[in-house]
Amino acid sequence: RKEVEQDPGPFNVPEGATVAFNCTYSNSASQSFFWYRQDCRKEPKLLMSVYSSGNEDGRFTAQLNRASQYISLLIRDSKLSDSATYLCVVNGPGGYQKVTFGTGTKLQVIP
Amino acid sequence: DADVTQTPRNRITKTGKRIMLECSQTKGHDRMYWYRQDPGLGLRLIYYSFDVKDINKGEISDGYSVSRQAQAKFSLSLESAIPNQTALYFCATSDSPSGAGELFFGEGSRLTVL
Repeated sequence: RKEVEQDPGPFNVPEGATVAFNCTYSNSASQSFFWYRQDCRKEPKLLMSVYSSGNEDGRFTAQLNRASQYISLLIRDSKLSDSATYLCVVNGPGGYQKVTFGTGTKLQVIP
Repeated sequence: DADVTQTPRNRITKTGKRIMLECSQTKGHDRMYWYRQDPGLGLRLIYYSFDVKDINKGEISDGYSVSRQAQAKFSLSLESAIPNQTALYFCATSDSPSGAGELFFGEGSRLTVL
């Protein structure tokens, strides 16, 4: 089993739609969780951290379920500019040398 | 200007050649990292450094070496490049000792080994 698993997609959704991605992780000792966004041939950039209580930033909502070991990202009212690959990032205890990146979920928002 | 700068951005080379990828940062972070990204695989850690005197191997260090010339500079070398080192390489920095903070990436160096 991969340490971090994501559905690679692509998810093709119309503008204005709501789309959700899930990511599962295998290490129950994982401590920090993130979603990064990566545009084609560009560097990853932090979209949001994921907290146990869940967190929201505008149209984006992230949730963590420790019992089932998954995190989710919900995007409401999708924009064309949301088209990108979304990377799930999980960090075990011990700092960034223990970070594991998912392979990413590709989102294409279509007009 | 980018806070984390990588050079070269693109490089095509031949098997057996020595290649150096350079990374410099203006963020003042002590922690620097080199990753590679391959299609269908997540980013994988090659080497990391927590300060000028600290160098550590990551998940896939074989065939690579690094040099931390200063707090702001961290170079990755391929001593004798081989085709399966063709990948997109990213340098990253952070100021979080626990790993709970953000990783700041350079724009990437695309390396092709023929």
